[in-house]
Amino acid sequence: EPEVTQTPSHQVTQMGQEVILRCVPISNHLYFYWYRQILGQKVEFLVSFYNNEISEKSEIFDDQFSVERPDGSNFTLKIRSTKLEDSAMYFCASSEALTSYGYTFGSGTRLTVV
Amino acid sequence: QKEVEQNSGPLSVPEGAIASLNCTYSDRVSQSFFWYRQYSGKSPELIMSIYSNGDKEDGRFTAQLNKASQYVSLLIRDSQPSDSATYLCAVNDQAGTALIFGKGTTLSVSS
Repeated sequence: EPEVTQTPSHQVTQMGQEVILRCVPISNHLYFYWYRQILGQKVEFLVSFYNNEISEKSEIFDDQFSVERPDGSNFTLKIRSTKLEDSAMYFCASSEALTSYGYTFGSGTRLTVV
Repeated sequence: QKEVEQNSGPLSVPEGAIASLNCTYSDRVSQSFFWYRQYSGKSPELIMSIYSNGDKEDGRFTAQLNKASQYVSLLIRDSQPSDSATYLCAVNDQAGTALIFGKGTTLSVSS
């Protein structure tokens, strides 16, 4: 069964450092998303991406965050200057069409900022 | 502020019983509704989607939607210990690209 692949599975970084989280969406999917889940809290939407541009972003997705699809397969989330409160599980997801059909989530990257 | 509310639980049921999970949402224009299952430390896994009022059945799972009451539920028949997980209700937002998740209901099925 096709899956969304995320790397690394766990990343530890110093506060103020830049991190890049990587995702390979399912190959025939057109819509890509990033979500995060702080430990013990709800899954929160960050950004959606379609046709090489951001479709929608949440209040969480401020100037410290950016997304990119550098080639035909990868989808990345960059956090420019990490803060302690950025520590969370970050999930990439993809879908064939808009949310009406639900997403397939990747296994996640646990980001720990120290 | 769009909200999706769920009883956090835990909901405890014996093996073989029916588990009933409930969710309410605040945005009347929402059109698509989803139930995800999340095991501890894992990513959400889509179980059911429902778009029209009424019931939708898939194996042991039945999703129920009542748009007038802004209420969606999930019934799990013949509950198994492997069903023990957190169940997340999600609703699409007005723009249609984001899902708004509830905090989830933790289900524990005892053998």
